[in-house]
Amino acid sequence: GAGVSQSPSNKVTEKGKDVELRCDPISGHTALYWYRQSLGQGLEFLIYFQGNSAPDKSGLPSDRFSAERTGGSVSTLTIQRTQQEDSAVYLCASSSGKQYFGPGTRLTVL
Amino acid sequence: GIQVEQSPPDLILQEGANSTLRCNFSDSVNNLQWFHQNPWGQLINLFYIPSGTKQNGRLSATTVATERYSLLYISSSQTTDSGVYFCAVGPGNTPLVFGKGTRLSVIA
Repeated sequence: GAGVSQSPSNKVTEKGKDVELRCDPISGHTALYWYRQSLGQGLEFLIYFQGNSAPDKSGLPSDRFSAERTGGSVSTLTIQRTQQEDSAVYLCASSSGKQYFGPGTRLTVL
Repeated sequence: GIQVEQSPPDLILQEGANSTLRCNFSDSVNNLQWFHQNPWGQLINLFYIPSGTKQNGRLSATTVATERYSLLYISSSQTTDSGVYFCAVGPGNTPLVFGKGTRLSVIA
């Protein structure tokens, strides 16, 4: 399959630990997005990569959140010193016009 | 920023019924997409429809960009149509702004 993939599918961590979430976009898609969705809520934009341009980080909720995209393909979202309010499903999407979502990573911070 | 309002927030249908979901947005957009989030959380892109009308099986969508709204029609609803329908808009190839969604429950 050539869809967007994310790993891990589930992550349970203790408050204060760092976590890394991975996204493999659809090959050839130049745009990549990270969102998060809390239980029963809508989608909250986090960060956007477009080609070689500087990322749009305007949605990152704090400086504990960062993301990188290596070689214009795989992206990693890092959350440092996790807090309980970071618990959510983190969704990655890639696009060449139409946007396609991965299955998400469910993060639980105890 | 662009505001997106979806209505109704919740909808319960008997299997076989038709429905119309609405998306209003506050500014001109060049990008409008409809998504279905199934009960397992997977988001599926239904339509990329910044203007005009498209149909895909029992689903169709119409966007009237000049009047800043889009409609999603579901005909002969099935229980598998249950989930949340999101409208998302943007000025171009920039982060989409998502509405809060319409939660649809189709009852057999």
